[in-house]
Amino acid sequence: AQSVTQLGSHVSVSEGALVLLRCNYSSSVPPYLFWYVQYPNQGLQLLLKYTTGATLVKGINGFEAEFKKSETSFHLTKPSAHMSDAAEYFCAVRGNSGGSNYKLTFGKGTLLTVNP
Amino acid sequence: DVKVTQSSRYLVKRTGEKVFLECVQDMDHENMFWYRQDPGLGLRLIYFSYDVKMKEKGDIPEGYSVSREKKERFSLILESASTNQTSMYLCASSKITGAFATNEKLFFGSGTQLSVL
Repeated sequence: AQSVTQLGSHVSVSEGALVLLRCNYSSSVPPYLFWYVQYPNQGLQLLLKYTTGATLVKGINGFEAEFKKSETSFHLTKPSAHMSDAAEYFCAVRGNSGGSNYKLTFGKGTLLTVNP
Repeated sequence: DVKVTQSSRYLVKRTGEKVFLECVQDMDHENMFWYRQDPGLGLRLIYFSYDVKMKEKGDIPEGYSVSREKKERFSLILESASTNQTSMYLCASSKITGAFATNEKLFFGSGTQLSVL
């Protein structure tokens, strides 16, 4: 069984400020972890993912996330927010073995607002 | 680039109607998925398919069925639509991967906003 919890359904930052979106996961097997972004009136697109190897992963648009096994976390960060970052962000997890191979479990999403 | 196309952007149906939501992908992906997205609940998996004629239940399959007769097409069927099925429906596809999914990526369609009155 696997699940993700996104802390904060809505995060508001000023343009140029640090963006931090929190995600904690639960998984009975070593997880694969993902962040997806959804811009208004669009489908989701992959921002970044952790599968194996380096625990700090870099994605598109200057975002990065760090896999911390001891904290069961995969928080998303960006040093300086841009107006175009305003969107909804989803953390997702799946196991890497057995019948969970094909199935992603998504969090409830965090809506990021960027103020000028 | 991969394209996942959902047949309708907006759909309005009446309670009790049979509803078909169609999804087509053009990159020969083995895996296809149907999610519904509701405010405050995120995405919840309804059904998925990892091959033609194969299907597996997701987390909330009740009231839905699916059909995958061809690799590129995955249909979601609401046998008798109800008001609690008013939602945004998202289709996605991905290439089949094994345990080490270093290149895994889901490609999503733009969604169908279904209203059941």
